[in-house]
Amino acid sequence: QKEVEQNSGPLSVPEGAIASLNCTYSDRGSQSFFWYRQYSGKSPELIMSIYSNGDKEDGRFTAQLNKASQYVSLLIRDSQPSDSATYLCAVKTGNQFYFGTGTSLTVIP
Amino acid sequence: GAVVSQHPSWVICKSGTSVKIECRSLDFQATTMFWYRQFPKQSLMLMATSNEGSKATYEQGVEKDKFLINHASLTLSTLTVTSAHPEDSSFYICSARDYQGQDTEAFFGQGTRLTVV
Repeated sequence: QKEVEQNSGPLSVPEGAIASLNCTYSDRGSQSFFWYRQYSGKSPELIMSIYSNGDKEDGRFTAQLNKASQYVSLLIRDSQPSDSATYLCAVKTGNQFYFGTGTSLTVIP
Repeated sequence: GAVVSQHPSWVICKSGTSVKIECRSLDFQATTMFWYRQFPKQSLMLMATSNEGSKATYEQGVEKDKFLINHASLTLSTLTVTSAHPEDSSFYICSARDYQGQDTEAFFGQGTRLTVV
């Protein structure tokens, strides 16, 4: 079983809609959770971090964490074409970061 | 956020030669840095964890004699791809964490695109 799993997509949403990205992880001892955005040919950049159960909002982005279900999600409201990218879920367990395979998101104008 | 600088951004080399990639933390000290490799349309694959002043920890399947890692200071780790072959062509990315806080995210370098011809 992979440490972190994501649907690879591609996920397509119309401009202005809500994009929902999901991630599950296998280690209950994982402490910290992150969402990165990666444009093609570029390095990942951090969008959100979340450490405790519940929701965390930052602008158009909301991260949701449910440790009991070992599930973390990212919601993007009012999606823009510039949001089109691959979104990587990362989980910190001990001293290691584990990345999901990423979900490709396309926002259609 | 903290800044991690990676150099070079891209490199083309001949098969059989060696290439060195540098990863620097510019405004913080990083006792641990991570090296990843990413093939087209695939996710990041952790190659090794670089520890300052000690040997790197390699992931299963990664040849330590081929991918030499040196972490001589708190701000610099290097990855040397020795005797490179076309199948080593990939996007190599380093990351580091600023250990000032208990829970800290990883900051990534810009990545190095290696093409072996």
